[in-house]
Amino acid sequence: GNSVTQMEGPVTLSEEAFLTINCTYTATGYPSLFWYVQYPGEGLQLLLKATKADDKGSNKGFEATYRKETTSFHLEKGSVQVSDSAVYFCALSVPNAGGTSYGKLTFGQGTILTVHP
Amino acid sequence: NAGVTQTPKFQVLKTGQSMTLQCAQDMNHNSMYWYRQDPGMGLRLIYYSASEGTTDKGEVPNGYNVSRLNKREFSLRLESAAPSQTSVYFCASSVPGQGQPYSNQPQHFGDGTRLSIL
Repeated sequence: GNSVTQMEGPVTLSEEAFLTINCTYTATGYPSLFWYVQYPGEGLQLLLKATKADDKGSNKGFEATYRKETTSFHLEKGSVQVSDSAVYFCALSVPNAGGTSYGKLTFGQGTILTVHP
Repeated sequence: NAGVTQTPKFQVLKTGQSMTLQCAQDMNHNSMYWYRQDPGMGLRLIYYSASEGTTDKGEVPNGYNVSRLNKREFSLRLESAAPSQTSVYFCASSVPGQGQPYSNQPQHFGDGTRLSIL
């Protein structure tokens, strides 16, 4: 089956520190990969995505590269801000034969990030 | 610019009571989904609907039923609530882009319903 494993949290950083959140996956097919972010009291928002090997998704200073050889999609940011404090979810979607997965997502367990001033 | 709207935002039930969680989207999306979010477990798919008139089970469908009322609305019903169903429930929707498979498309989420069952 499909699964996503994220690094254990919570992660606590000082403002302007470098962030890495590890994500690895197993998939029965060729997945699309996503990072979602959830701010307190809100639903999930798409942060970035990559749909094929070696693609780099980027948004708001965050980046992640689709590494098929290591089945990984690690999230990075060079300098975090207090406003980046949130829960981050790695997720994948795999098409069935004939492309009928209908976009079902498999999520990792989430990583809580807290950034202090 | 509402996106995906869920009602209610909070609810407390007693064991054995029933209730329906409502979800509506105004983005003309074809697919809609119900997830539950539990600590340390990420989000797990309960049911989904690929189009109006169709529904299918996800990873954790037991104890739930759904109705795709029309293209906009997708409701989740708990017939006899149990404490194990205490969770945060999220509705989401998505649509494939032209020429793109479903799996490439992001989902748009509502703000969630926080449900406690005593």
